[in-house]
Amino acid sequence: DVKVTQSSRYLVKRTGEKVFLECVQDMDHENMFWYRQDPGLGLRLIYFSYDVKMKEKGDIPEGYSVSREKKERFSLILESASTNQTSMYLCASSFRLANTGELFFGEGSRLTVL
Amino acid sequence: AQSVAQPEDQVNVAEGNPLTVKCTYSVSGNPYLFWYVQYPNRGLQFLLKYITGDNLVKGSYGFEAEFNKSQTSFHLKKPSALVSDSALYFCAVSQRSSSNTGKLIFGQGTTLQVKP
Repeated sequence: DVKVTQSSRYLVKRTGEKVFLECVQDMDHENMFWYRQDPGLGLRLIYFSYDVKMKEKGDIPEGYSVSREKKERFSLILESASTNQTSMYLCASSFRLANTGELFFGEGSRLTVL
Repeated sequence: AQSVAQPEDQVNVAEGNPLTVKCTYSVSGNPYLFWYVQYPNRGLQFLLKYITGDNLVKGSYGFEAEFNKSQTSFHLKKPSALVSDSALYFCAVSQRSSSNTGKLIFGQGTTLQVKP
């Protein structure tokens, strides 16, 4: 089975802290994604990466950055956390020609910023 | 711009009754369409997809969805609901394009509540 693992299920951080959310997939997928999930807004794409060291902005990249140094790992970074970044963060991966295929999701990381 | 709309925040059905969760989309050209399910405090799980061919698509757990091009809809259906189907359901669309890197646009989600 495809496994997408997010390192932290629950995090509590203070305003201004730097936050790292880590995601690892074990299926040799080229594509990796970070989504943010908020009630009533569905999932919104923050960043995605289609290859090592490649990244593209999604719909809401402001306040976030990403890193993809290895194919299996995609990190989301909040340089200076703010309360409006309190949310559920979902990592996903897929094969490159995945517009016909599905995304595989991790369990999510619920971040609270105080 | 691509978009997906799920007009109902919540759908309530009795166990054993048929269920429908609605989805409409807006995308240039022909879309790829998906349904995902999310159980509490879990990630999303793939249910089914429409790529091409038969407009009625069958997926996991007895769910099916009907692609209607003229109405730009992709409603999720099940003939007989189970209490265990209670969850949050997301419709998603991907643009059919050679430059597409596989990113999906999601609807806002519909909570399905199946009562015994």
